Amino acid sequence: DQQVKQNSPSLSVQEGRISILNCDYTNSMFDYFLWYKKYPAEGPTFLISISSIKDKNEDGRFTVFLNKSAKHLSLHIVPSQPGDSAVYFCAASGYYTGANNLFFGTGTRLTVIP
Amino acid sequence: EPEVTQTPSHQVTQMGQEVILRCVPISNHLYFYWYRQILGQKVEFLVSFYNNEISEKSEIFDDQFSVERPDGSNFTLKIRSTKLEDSAMYFCASSRDSAGYSNQPQHFGDGTRLSIL
Repeated sequence: DQQVKQNSPSLSVQEGRISILNCDYTNSMFDYFLWYKKYPAEGPTFLISISSIKDKNEDGRFTVFLNKSAKHLSLHIVPSQPGDSAVYFCAASGYYTGANNLFFGTGTRLTVIP
Repeated sequence: EPEVTQTPSHQVTQMGQEVILRCVPISNHLYFYWYRQILGQKVEFLVSFYNNEISEKSEIFDDQFSVERPDGSNFTLKIRSTKLEDSAMYFCASSRDSAGYSNQPQHFGDGTRLSIL
């Protein structure tokens, strides 16, 4: 099952700079996309989401971009802070893919260097 | 901020034994879920539960698994006869409404690490 892919297992960014995390999906029936942050020994924490009718959603320092034609979404964190260091998962769901079933990527470990 | 709570945080069980994992979803949420993450692998959907019945389940959720909402606050996952390959982190989640129907995010607990010996 490779419906949601995060091809970069890790990313290091200097504090104050932009972090860009990428996610690709293969199933064109997905219509709702989410980003979660996960610290060790904790569960995934919801960050931000976007529905397929939009191409951008912003919440404070976090912005998610969706490119439906490329089946690609990205999470931008500006400015990056050391507390942002965590594993970031993208997830997707769709009315016709199992409306309550989130498909997760493998995660990208973000390290923000002070 | 309300959160999903899971107990125990770590469960060690002999192979073949029954295990019950417990969750208290966020109080005004209507949809409840179980996911698991085997070490080094993706988070995988097991089952969703709404209006006191299973609404969806994955291929992983076979006859060894069952879910129950025994009262107004708890949501449980039972594995009847555990196997070595059931060793994983099990996450409970809840949402106010359906992710796919109403674009509502699922909120996760901190998980129960299940170790089968």
